[in-house]
This record gives sequence, C-alpha cells and structure tokens, in this order.
Amino acid sequence: KQEVTQIPAALSVPEGENLVLNCSFTDSAIYNLQWFRQDPGKGLTSLLLIQSSQREQTSGRLNASLDKSSGRSTLYIAASQPGDSATYLCAVSPSNDYKLSFGAGTTVTVRA
Amino acid sequence: EAGVAQSPRYKIIEKRQSVAFWCNPISGHATLYWYQQILGQGPKLLIQFQNNGVVDDSQLPKDRFSAERLKGVDSTLKIQPAKLEDSAVYLCAPPGSGNTIYFGEGSWLTVV
Repeated sequence: KQEVTQIPAALSVPEGENLVLNCSFTDSAIYNLQWFRQDPGKGLTSLLLIQSSQREQTSGRLNASLDKSSGRSTLYIAASQPGDSATYLCAVSPSNDYKLSFGAGTTVTVRA
Repeated sequence: EAGVAQSPRYKIIEKRQSVAFWCNPISGHATLYWYQQILGQGPKLLIQFQNNGVVDDSQLPKDRFSAERLKGVDSTLKIQPAKLEDSAVYLCAPPGSGNTIYFGEGSWLTVV
C-alpha cells in the first residue's frame, strides 16, 4: 500500500523567504505526482503535475522536483508572499487515472 | 470547462442516522471519483466510476456506505448508519482540464 508523507506538517516564514516543502512516498512505481494547494474551507487546486519520466516542473515562482527512485519530491516556492499561505498537498498516482494517494499536507503561513 | 455541483454543502446529523450527498459534474466526463477528507488529513479515495459502472470501491466501507452513478452523469453517496468517524468533507471529483482532476468545495458532514 502506498504511503505518502509530508514534512514538516506546518511552516511559518517571513515574507520574501523561499519555501521548501518535502514529500516522500514508499512505492516508487508511480505514474505521476501532483502538488495541490488547499485554502481553508475550499477545494483543492492543482499546482504542478510531474510525470514519472520527468525530473521537474516549473510554473511561475513554483518549481517541483521528482526523484522517483528515492521516492521523494520537493516543492520550492520562491520569494514567498502572504497570499501563498495555504495547505500544500502532494499526491501520487499508480496509473494514468486519478486514483490518488495523498499526504496529510504542509500548512504554510507567510508573515507580512 | 471542468466543475462540479454538490449538495448539500453542509449537513449535521446524529450518529446512526443516514445522509445522502449528490454530485453533478458539469463536464459530463465518463470518469468520476468520490474522496473523503477528514480534518487534518489528505483526501482518501472512496470509489471510482466509469460511466455507470464501479471501477474501484476497495476503500469504500460497504457495511455503511453506498454509491451509484445515474445515467453516467449524476452520482449519489449514501451513509447509513453514520458513525462519528464519518465526519469529513466528501469530495466529488471529475477529471479537469490540463490532465488533472477537479476538486470542488465538497459536502461537509458533521456527525454528533
């Protein structure tokens, strides 16, 4: 059974600092990995999707890396802003569908 | 365009009562997922539909949960009898744009 772990569970940084969020998974036989953002009381928004054959994906200030063999992914958020405050979840899929296994998330607070 | 309508948005029931959640995926996609998100955790897959058929319900507590898909569009998720540990957000998720999945705000259940 796939287990996804996210460390740390919570993070508080001053505005402008770079954020580093970690995700690890136990079964390296994944098809893809996604990072989601969730605001309180809201649904999940997909941020980045990395196929298993890829090493990283970038979107604006966000960069996600994937090391499939070691079962790790890292989400970098450059020059953090208060608007980046949210919970960030990573999820892996074993096949080309959306049967996702999620981590518990990292709750980020960016202080102005 | 992806999207989903769910109702009711909020429900409070006593344990051992029953509840039903309804989902209408705006995109009309053939595939549909129900996830359960307990507070402080990532979403957990309950059931996957392909048109009217169940593809995967291995994580659905079948002694109390049931789900169906009507004419390959609308879906309902029922819990009977509810337990305290069923308190969660129930997310109906169709595939979205950009090779990802769409999570709406879900239906919030509190069992007291």
